[in-house]
Amino acid sequence: EAQVTQNPRYLITVTGKKLTVTCSQNMNHEYMSWYRQDPGLGLRQIYYSMNVEVTDKGDVPEGYKVSRKEKRNFPLILESPSPNQTSLYFCASSLSQPSPQHFGDGTRLSIL
Amino acid sequence: TQLLEQSPQFLSIQEGENLTVYCNSSSVFSSLQWYRQEPGEGPVLLVTVVTGGEVKKLKRLTFQFGDARKDSSLHITAAQPGDTGLYLCAGARGAQKLVFGQGTRLTINP
Repeated sequence: EAQVTQNPRYLITVTGKKLTVTCSQNMNHEYMSWYRQDPGLGLRQIYYSMNVEVTDKGDVPEGYKVSRKEKRNFPLILESPSPNQTSLYFCASSLSQPSPQHFGDGTRLSIL
Repeated sequence: TQLLEQSPQFLSIQEGENLTVYCNSSSVFSSLQWYRQEPGEGPVLLVTVVTGGEVKKLKRLTFQFGDARKDSSLHITAAQPGDTGLYLCAGARGAQKLVFGQGTRLTINP
C-alpha cells in the first residue's frame, strides 16, 4: 500500500529539548516536503527536497532543519524547540513540486 | 498574503442540503487540486482540474475550474454527514510549489 509514514503521531516536550520527527515514503517519489498546519493559516511549507541531498527552504523555515540522505526518508529536526512551534505537522511526497501530494497522517507537537 | 482565498471558512448545514465552497485568487494557476482532510488524518486528494472551464464530478461532488483559471468551486449536492471535513484547495503555477488555501471546515448535521 502506498503510504507516507510519520512518527511519532503525538509528542509533548519542553522548550529547548531537541527532537526529530521521522517521515518515510514507499512510492519512490523524488519530491518530499514538510508542512505545518495552524488554525486559520492553512498549510504552510517548512522545507522541501527535490531529491537526495537537495533541500531548500519553504515559507516558514526558521527553527527547523531537514536532511535527505535517502530517497525514502525526510526527517524534520527541531534543534531547540520553542512554544511557537506547537502545531500539527505533515510530511508529504509527490512526483514533482506541483503534483498532487500524498500526505502522512500528521504529528501533533506540543512544546511547553 | 494569502494567494488562494477560500470561502466560507466555516459552514454548518443540515443533511440533504446543497452547498458551494469557493477558492479564489488574482493569480492564474496551471492546475488546481482539491483535498479533503478528516480529523486525525492528512489531506487526501479528491480531484485535479487543469483546463479553464473544466467540470469534474465525483459522485455528489462537482468541481469547476474558472475559465480564466483563477478560481474554482466545489458544489456538494444532498450533503451527508460523511462529507464532514476540512476542504482545501491548492493551486499550481508551472513547476513552482503548490499554494494552499486556508481551508473550509464543513459540518453536516444529521
